[in-house]
Amino acid sequence: DAGVTQSPTHLIKTRGQHVTLRCSPISGHKSVSWYQQVLGQGPQFIFQYYEKEERGRGNFPDRFSARQFPNYSSELNVNALLLGDSALYLCASSLEGIDGYTFGSGTRLTVV
Amino acid sequence: GEDVEQSLFLSVREGDSSVINCTYTDSSSTYLYWYKQEPGAGLQLLTYIFSNMDMKQDQRLTVLLNKKDKHLSLRIADTQTGDSAIYFCAERTSNSGYALNFGKGTSLLVTP
Repeated sequence: DAGVTQSPTHLIKTRGQHVTLRCSPISGHKSVSWYQQVLGQGPQFIFQYYEKEERGRGNFPDRFSARQFPNYSSELNVNALLLGDSALYLCASSLEGIDGYTFGSGTRLTVV
Repeated sequence: GEDVEQSLFLSVREGDSSVINCTYTDSSSTYLYWYKQEPGAGLQLLTYIFSNMDMKQDQRLTVLLNKKDKHLSLRIADTQTGDSAIYFCAERTSNSGYALNFGKGTSLLVTP
């Protein structure tokens, strides 16, 4: 079985640009969560989606948005990129969002 | 996560037991998790414990939960060099909805 897959693995963007990160959950998992991990820190919660509905949002500005598609895959969008958005963006899937969360390998975003 | 605290570094000799500690402040924590992160990789779920349990054992891993002191520990028996990684403690509380609140991680170094 494929695990949680994220694309791209690495990305370099310029300040002010827009970025879209993609995540495919484990087959059968209906919940996808997004986390931001800055170097040397633990992951910080951004969003959770379940059955295409937003079920939770962390303390991130409106420049961050996400959605979940009928096949349960998800996109994270970040507008007007800042240098401080440079981080590892992790996607996690779970069956219903209340049990163990399985993380992907992440997308390393560098903003220059 | 400011509410989850871990010591930053632990060094042990190969074959010894490792004990990684975590304290949390939210008494409404429902699930508590341990994740492992190797360099450049995502998070690997090691184990999780429901708050009505005191202990959970899974092969070389033993999780102890002291709800009175809000203390969680992960014991790794017969530690191997391949166990060298960063270990994150995370809590999910009734207040956080479905978000996981992570500590900053404990870097475990296993020396031959």
